[in-house]
Amino acid sequence: AQSVAQPEDQVNVAEGNPLTVKCTYSVSGNPYLFWYVQYPNRGLQFLLKYITGDNLVKGSYGFEAEFNKSQTSFHLKKPSALVSDSALYFCAVRAADSNYQLIWGAGTKLIIKP
Amino acid sequence: EPEVTQTPSHQVTQMGQEVILRCVPISNHLYFYWYRQILGQKVEFLVSFYNNEISEKSEIFDDQFSVERPDGSNFTLKIRSTKLEDSAMYFCASSGRGSRNTGELFFGEGSRLTVL
Repeated sequence: AQSVAQPEDQVNVAEGNPLTVKCTYSVSGNPYLFWYVQYPNRGLQFLLKYITGDNLVKGSYGFEAEFNKSQTSFHLKKPSALVSDSALYFCAVRAADSNYQLIWGAGTKLIIKP
Repeated sequence: EPEVTQTPSHQVTQMGQEVILRCVPISNHLYFYWYRQILGQKVEFLVSFYNNEISEKSEIFDDQFSVERPDGSNFTLKIRSTKLEDSAMYFCASSGRGSRNTGELFFGEGSRLTVL
């Protein structure tokens, strides 16, 4: 079965420190991987995606993610966290047998402390 | 910047009542979706819509649910007879031709449905 796992419910980071939000996936075939962010009382906003090419993908707001095929991971990273990065982060993968359906992780709450 | 808009932002209804959630996708997008998020749980795919018909639907999207694009701009989700377990945040999303196969979706801010 295809799935996405975000092993941490919450990640706490001090402002200015690097942050990592973890995501692993299980999907048949080549994965299309995504990160979305949800700010309080807001919708989901696209951050970045991996389709093919370089394993390190850069996205919005200074975020990047590294695709690791052998570890089936797609961790989200940022070199220096901002308090405004505090939000809920979702990893998602496009199902191999679907052109439309995204499979979502449970989300990780990121808290950046001043 | 173009955005997906949803109305209402919050609706409270009695069990068994019909509910219609409305969405205005980004104007040049061709693919439309509904997802839902029950409080504290994962985002779940409901349905995708293209060329005036359902492209794909999940097991959640049973006969109580229907979608429609009545006038070329709105995209609606109807729940015929709401149940308590339909209480959730419902997200509409759209994507353009180029982003269809790469999954970059543009989401609205959601409609929170509370069924009493």
